[in-house]
Amino acid sequence: GDSVTQMEGPVTLSEEAFLTINCTYTATGYPSLFWYVQYPGEGLQLLLKATKADDKGSNKGFEATYRKETTSFHLEKGSVQVSDSAVYFCALSGPIAGNNRKLIWGLGTSLAVNP
Amino acid sequence: DAGVTQSPTHLIKTRGQQVTLRCSPKSGHDTVSWYQQALGQGPQFIFQYYEEEERQRGNFPDRFSGHQFPNYSSELNVNALLLGDSALYLCASSRTFFSYEQYFGPGTRLTVT
Repeated sequence: GDSVTQMEGPVTLSEEAFLTINCTYTATGYPSLFWYVQYPGEGLQLLLKATKADDKGSNKGFEATYRKETTSFHLEKGSVQVSDSAVYFCALSGPIAGNNRKLIWGLGTSLAVNP
Repeated sequence: DAGVTQSPTHLIKTRGQQVTLRCSPKSGHDTVSWYQQALGQGPQFIFQYYEEEERQRGNFPDRFSGHQFPNYSSELNVNALLLGDSALYLCASSRTFFSYEQYFGPGTRLTVT
């Protein structure tokens, strides 16, 4: 079945460091891909999305590119801030043209940014 | 504009009991999905409701059932609770059945003793 694998945490960085969180997936066809973020004490929020190959999702300085050839959707940010400390989840659902919207999730990667 | 709301926030139950969790979707949304998130894990899809019918279901036993009301709110019922049912239960709503963007509530923390 479909699955998502993301790098284990926790990840600890200093402020202004470069961030990469790796995410790879297994799925048939062309799934839609997402990054969600869970800030301490808050609910899950959609951070960015991509629905077809080579799409780049971006939001709040974060970026991820849908790479069909490597089945990857790595999350990057050029300069992290303390306020980026959170748990980040990679997820997939069915192709945008279909009606399968069930989200399949990775285990989450905890990020701590120190001042 | 109220987001997705869930009640109660926390719940403690005993093995074998039954529990009902409630969810009100974001204004303008008509589709509700439920997820179970064990500690330190990613969410697991339980089921999705649209037009008061269960449209998709994950790998959960029949002890997990749900309902959607005409006002689009939803309930998750779990019977014969097991210790392993202890988790954060998340409700997510989307604008339509075909929308890929899901908005999550804060969750209900269920502890089974």
